[in-house]
Amino acid sequence: AQSVTQPDIHITVSEGASLELRCNYSYGATPYLFWYVQSPGQGLQLLLKYFSGDTLVQGIKGFEAEFKRSQSSFNLRKPSVHWSDAAEYFCAVGAYTGGGNKLTFGTGTQLKVEL
Amino acid sequence: DGGITQSPKYLFRKEGQNVTLSCEQNLNHDAMYWYRQDPGQGLRLIYYSQIVNDFQKGDIAEGYSVSREKKESFPLTVTSAQKNPTAFYLCASNPTGTFYEQYFGPGTRLTVT
Repeated sequence: AQSVTQPDIHITVSEGASLELRCNYSYGATPYLFWYVQSPGQGLQLLLKYFSGDTLVQGIKGFEAEFKRSQSSFNLRKPSVHWSDAAEYFCAVGAYTGGGNKLTFGTGTQLKVEL
Repeated sequence: DGGITQSPKYLFRKEGQNVTLSCEQNLNHDAMYWYRQDPGQGLRLIYYSQIVNDFQKGDIAEGYSVSREKKESFPLTVTSAQKNPTAFYLCASNPTGTFYEQYFGPGTRLTVT
């Protein structure tokens, strides 16, 4: 069964600083990987996804993530954080079975941005 | 605009009562999902459905029930058997045929006292 680990529960960065959120996954085959963002009391919005091909993927809002198979990682990065990026971020790994697409989520990283 | 709607946004119930959460989508997606979110635990899958009149249990189905009578609708009933029903509930959907990202609704916060 697949699993996802987000080792950082909380991260605080200053506005304008760079950001890296860590994600490690466990899955036997080539994974489908996602990063979602959630504002308080809201649903999840997809930031980016990796299915295959180029291991560096670009997403919305200036985010990017790099798939590293050797490290089983899919870390999210942003070169310059804006105050509006404060939110909770979830990494997820997907498995496609006959019964449907199943996503397994990490426990999330809460990002705080200091002005 | 296409999307997923969940109603109501906030729901309050007394312990021992069943309650049904609504999820409707106009994205023409075949697959729909229900997740439960608790602080510090991420999202956990309750039930999912690939097609009308068919659904499967997820990882935490005990105390919940669903129906899928229409493609657009996937209501979730939280029964009195669910020991800790207070949580944030999220509905999602995606097309089928291959792997697609899931699209999420805005969620319903259920409080049971």
